[in-house]
Amino acid sequence: DAGVIQSPRHEVTEMGQEVTLRCKPISGHNSLFWYRQTMMRGLELLIYFNNNVPIDDSGMPEDRFSAKMPNASFSTLKIQPSEPRDSAVYFCASSFADTNYGYTFGSGTRLTVV
Amino acid sequence: GIQVEQSPPDLILQEGANSTLRCNFSDSVNNLQWFHQNPWGQLINLFYIPSGTKQNGRLSATTVATERYSLLYISSSQTTDSGVYFCAVVNTGFQKLVFGTGTRLLVSP
Repeated sequence: DAGVIQSPRHEVTEMGQEVTLRCKPISGHNSLFWYRQTMMRGLELLIYFNNNVPIDDSGMPEDRFSAKMPNASFSTLKIQPSEPRDSAVYFCASSFADTNYGYTFGSGTRLTVV
Repeated sequence: GIQVEQSPPDLILQEGANSTLRCNFSDSVNNLQWFHQNPWGQLINLFYIPSGTKQNGRLSATTVATERYSLLYISSSQTTDSGVYFCAVVNTGFQKLVFGTGTRLLVSP
C-alpha cells in the first residue's frame, strides 16, 4: 500500500486566494482526519470523517475552512479566502476504526500564505 | 478534554547513549501511539501501544494504562534518531487522537 497520499507537498499562495489540499486515505480505512501543525499550537485536529460522513468539525478554525469527503478514497480541505495566519503544515491521517493498528499519517502539505 | 504531557521537552545525547521519554495522560485511553517526526517533517508511526510492552530494534515502548503513562526507550542512539517524538492518545469513548507537545531529541556524533 502506498500509504496516505497528500497533495501538493508545498503550496505558496497570496493572501485572499483559495487553497485546496487533497488527501487519499489508505484503501479500506473508514476514518479520515485532518490535522494542522503550527509552532504555537502544535498538532491539532481540525475535522474527522467516519464512512465519508463528517463527525466532528469543532476544530475547524472558522468559516473560511471547509472539508469534504465525496467518497471513501478522497478528501479535500479548502481555505477561502486564505490568510497569512493559515500558514502551517496540514496533515491527513486515516485509520480503520475497528482494528488495533492506529492512525497512519500522510507526508503533509506545507502551506505558506504571503 | 484529555491532557497529554511529555517529558523532557528537549534532550541532547551523544551517539551511542540510551534515553527514556515519558508520556503522562490524564484519563483512560483505548489508543496510544508514539510517533517520530523527522527533520523533513514526516510523522512516522513507531508503536501502537495502548497497553503492554513492544520492541522494534533499538526502540521499545511500555504503557501502563492503569497508571496513565507510557515510556519510549531508545538504546544505542544514532544521529538519525534526531527529531521530535510525539505521544498521542485516544480517550476511551472518543475517536480523536490527541497529541502531546513532544520531546525534541538531538543526537550528536
